[in-house]
Amino acid sequence: NAGVTQTPKFQVLKTGQSMTLQCAQDMNHEYMSWYRQDPGMGLRLIHYSVGAGITDQGEVPNGYNVSRSTTEDFPLRLLSAAPSQTSVYFCASSRSGAGVGNEQFFGPGTRLTVL
Amino acid sequence: QKEVEQDPGPLSVPEGAIVSLNCTYSNSAFQYFMWYRQYSRKGPELLMYTYSSGNKEDGRFTAQVDKSSKYISLFIRDSQPSDSATYLCAMGKDSSASKIIFGSGTRLSIRP
Repeated sequence: NAGVTQTPKFQVLKTGQSMTLQCAQDMNHEYMSWYRQDPGMGLRLIHYSVGAGITDQGEVPNGYNVSRSTTEDFPLRLLSAAPSQTSVYFCASSRSGAGVGNEQFFGPGTRLTVL
Repeated sequence: QKEVEQDPGPLSVPEGAIVSLNCTYSNSAFQYFMWYRQYSRKGPELLMYTYSSGNKEDGRFTAQVDKSSKYISLFIRDSQPSDSATYLCAMGKDSSASKIIFGSGTRLSIRP
């Protein structure tokens, strides 16, 4: 099993450009999530999904869109990149949630710089 | 005020020392607590979780929760250079929650 994979590993964008961060998991997990990690801020939840076709907002959803058409994939779209979106982005998945007994497995991260 | 506060460090200790990492929280609705370890340029991985006040031990690691003080700790005994990483606490409001809140992480370095 590859676990949780993310592409690309690194990306540089100009302000106003759009892009999609890819996330895939091969563990048949129902729950998937996107976090951003900034210095001094820890991990903050952007969006999450509890199953194919179901998504919801986390703490910091503005400027990001998600969709979940299959169990395996959960792409994160930046609509119009801003320097404030410079961050490291992590995708995670778990069996059925973020609670006890549902260990979240994290991908290796995507380092995004917006100029 | 953040819901979860964690000293960012860095914390540097000699090999073999006992390490104490701590988080405080403000929301009494938090019911379960986790510790994640994150090596440099990697994703976090779950180390331990607890669902009540008291201690939970796993090898060299002990997690402690004091709900009355809204304070949680992770102790590492006989620390090793391989324990050098960032440690993040996380907590949730119920066992089936879809969201958990992370602390900002403490960077730990174990000197050989």
